Amino acid sequence: ELKVEQNPLFLSMQEGKNYTIYCNYSTTSDRLYWYRQDPGKSLESLFVLLSNGAVKQEGRLMASLDTKARLSTLHITAAVHDLSATYFCAVDSPYSGTYKYIFGTGTRLKVLA
Amino acid sequence: KAGVTQTPRYLIKTRGQQVTLSCSPISGHRSVSWYQQTPGQGLQFLFEYFSETQRNKGNFPGRFSGRQFSNSRSEMNVSTLELGDSALYLCASSPGPSRNQPQHFGDGTRLSIL
Repeated sequence: ELKVEQNPLFLSMQEGKNYTIYCNYSTTSDRLYWYRQDPGKSLESLFVLLSNGAVKQEGRLMASLDTKARLSTLHITAAVHDLSATYFCAVDSPYSGTYKYIFGTGTRLKVLA
Repeated sequence: KAGVTQTPRYLIKTRGQQVTLSCSPISGHRSVSWYQQTPGQGLQFLFEYFSETQRNKGNFPGRFSGRQFSNSRSEMNVSTLELGDSALYLCASSPGPSRNQPQHFGDGTRLSIL
């Protein structure tokens, strides 16, 4: 069964520090998606990675995709409190002639001042 | 530009009833996707509609159905509600097929089943 695993599940870090969230998946997929969710809020699309080696950056966040290793990383540079949220990765997988998205369990990030 | 609008925001139903949720995408967006979020199962993909056709589908029972109208507005229907259907239902839209581009999410409909 297709699995998408994120680690760590919880991350508490100091402002100004760097850290990486990992997303491993068990199926062949050439697309990976990152989302952010603030407490009690909806989802926000962060990155869409469409091919092996894709790298995208927005502010202090940078995402990359290695389809051969079935691994994506979300790197946080010089964290600030505003980055506190839950981050989800997702892959799409062939299903009954179409595709379905499989989400990871999420990484809850807390940035401490 | 108005964002994705979901109605209603909150809904309480009882077991066995049916419910219809509505989603109005961003103007010009032709793809609408639906997701379910629960504490136990996390985020799960329900289905995607593009140009009034269901393009992608998750692994949900037939009680969950949807449709899209010519103006791209979408509805999701759940029949014979079960306690486990209590969830936050999110709708997202994108200009084209969701596989290739970022999606814009609505605030969600929180459905509670008593």
